Amino acid sequence: DIQMTQSPSSVSASVGDRVTITCRASQGISSWLAWYQQKPGKAPKLLIYAASSLQSGVPSRFSGSGSGTDFTLTISSLQPEDFASYYCQQGNSFPLTFGGGTKVEIK
Amino acid sequence: QVQLVQSGAEVQKPGASVKVSCKASGYTFTAYYMHWVRQAPGQGLEWMGRINPNTGGTNYAQKFQGRVTMTRDTSISTAYMELSRLRSDDTAVYYCARDRASGSNWFDPWGQGTLVTVSS
Repeated sequence: DIQMTQSPSSVSASVGDRVTITCRASQGISSWLAWYQQKPGKAPKLLIYAASSLQSGVPSRFSGSGSGTDFTLTISSLQPEDFASYYCQQGNSFPLTFGGGTKVEIK
Repeated sequence: QVQLVQSGAEVQKPGASVKVSCKASGYTFTAYYMHWVRQAPGQGLEWMGRINPNTGGTNYAQKFQGRVTMTRDTSISTAYMELSRLRSDDTAVYYCARDRASGSNWFDPWGQGTLVTVSS
């Protein structure tokens, strides 16, 4: 199975900050990576797919980059509604696997 | 709009089975794979498997092989996930999620989730 390792596990930030979350795959997955946002008590929401493609309706302050084994999700200017947990997910091979998550908290 | 509506919360005893439904609307049900993902309390996301609603073909995570069965009823655009021989560590919110595009392995949209509690 492909292991997905996210860092950090949590980050404290202020509104307006630039936040970067990284995800590393245990083997190369080309661009088969997605990012999800999850708020408490809610289902996850797709933000980015194919490593860098922005899902329709997602604000442009979210961006994704990377290929192979190393990937990044960047929030360019953190907004109050962005405080949530974020998960990466590889879609390269079964079983599909997720990173352990990153909680973005208010500083 | 595309929508997935899941069945309500369940409480089951250890050793029992649970069957969760996921009713789809707003698109052609047979055109997109349906996945099942679970999340234990305070934990991360875990993919369980997927079903091709057109053929009924399935792919299951090895961890759940022999305990999970995914089926569908195309006449009512509904997918089902049945988990047997329940244990306390199967307590989780179970989500259905559609492929973003056919065969993409990205999940969008998601159902609202179904809490399954396993307790004696």
